[in-house]
Amino acid sequence: NAGVTQTPKFQVLKTGQSMTLQCAQDMNHEYMSWYRQDPGMGLRLIHYSVGAGITDQGEVPNGYNVSRSTTEDFPLRLLSAAPSQTSVYFCASSYSGLSGDIQYFGAGTRLSVL
Amino acid sequence: AQKITQTQPGMFVQEKEAVTLDCTYDTSDQSYGLFWYKQPSSGEMIFLIYQGSYDEQNATEGRYSLNFQKARKSANLVISASQLGDSAMYFCAMREVYSGNTPLVFGKGTRLSVIA
Repeated sequence: NAGVTQTPKFQVLKTGQSMTLQCAQDMNHEYMSWYRQDPGMGLRLIHYSVGAGITDQGEVPNGYNVSRSTTEDFPLRLLSAAPSQTSVYFCASSYSGLSGDIQYFGAGTRLSVL
Repeated sequence: AQKITQTQPGMFVQEKEAVTLDCTYDTSDQSYGLFWYKQPSSGEMIFLIYQGSYDEQNATEGRYSLNFQKARKSANLVISASQLGDSAMYFCAMREVYSGNTPLVFGKGTRLSVIA
């Protein structure tokens, strides 16, 4: 049982390039989310999804797009990378979005934008 | 307004001693969940313990316990008999239920260093 799988683990981009961070889970979880982690800021929510075809914005959505065509996959797209998007990105999933549901995290993607 | 506040950016504890990591939260919802996660230097986020707002007993998981004081809106993590492997960042988080499916909101974390 792989849990939440994120690819790639590391990525270096040039300003203006686009890329997609992949996230897949094999636990049949309805709820998935993307966070970014910056030093001293904790984890901040970018986008989340409560099921296939449904997404919503979090605290810091600007510069990022998401879609959820299947239950398993929740990719995060950077349309035109900026140095401010240098961060560690975490994907997470839970059975639902209810208060008692434990959220499980992928190993993270470390992104540098030059 | 910040929903989760962790006032201790860094803490030191002697090996084998107990340590308390503070967490206060802000919500007007009656039903919510509180979580603690550990992030070691390797970077992964590890779930430690959960407390529901209606749970009458404080949650415990091995050496971890959650000191839940609902009236004070605090959910402190207590680690007993600290080990060197407990050195990590610790994050407190909350999930509200005001509208059903809600995101997990995190505090800024506390870095714990265990000294031999």
